[in-house]
Amino acid sequence: NAGVTQTPKFRILKIGQSMTLQCTQDMNHNYMYWYRQDPGMGLKLIYYSVGAGITDKGEVPNGYNVSRSTTEDFPLRLELAAPSQTSVYFCASSSLTGRRGTGELFFGEGSRLTVL
Amino acid sequence: GESVGLHLPTLSVQEGDNSIINCAYSNSASDYFIWYKQESGKGPQFIIDIRSNMDKRQGQRVTVLLNKTVKHLSLQIAATQPGDSAVYFCAETFGNEKLTFGTGTRLTIIP
Repeated sequence: NAGVTQTPKFRILKIGQSMTLQCTQDMNHNYMYWYRQDPGMGLKLIYYSVGAGITDKGEVPNGYNVSRSTTEDFPLRLELAAPSQTSVYFCASSSLTGRRGTGELFFGEGSRLTVL
Repeated sequence: GESVGLHLPTLSVQEGDNSIINCAYSNSASDYFIWYKQESGKGPQFIIDIRSNMDKRQGQRVTVLLNKTVKHLSLQIAATQPGDSAVYFCAETFGNEKLTFGTGTRLTIIP
């Protein structure tokens, strides 16, 4: 199994450009997440999904959009890139979290985005 | 909003010694806590978890302690090895699907 796969690994954008970070998982997990990690900081939740067709905002959703048309894929869209979006983005998946299961999120390797 | 925080941003430990990484949380309603390890250039990996109805849980070389009275969580790593060098995050959930992560502690193992 590949687990959680993110592309691209690195990207440089100009202010105002748009792009999509791709995330796919082959573990048939219902839950998927997008986090961003700024230097020396923890992970902040951008958006999450509890299943195909269902998405919800996390702590820092502004400037981003997501969709979940299939169980496997959870792309993150940046419409108008800003320098404040320079960060490392992590996609994660889980079969269950919280009370109903383990907190074992499986993370991708990350996508490092720089906006200049 | 509620937050999960760490007391120490960096920690250096001699190889073979035990290490203790601390975490404070502010939401007394949090009922599930997890420790993650993040190696350089990689995504976080699950280490161990504990539910609020427990005080202690042990894994292989790792122990998590939960003190609900002072809202404190700790991760103990026994007989540290060079491969233990990483950033360690605690995370909490309030019974829903979202995890809140702390800032992280960078653990460096000195040979």
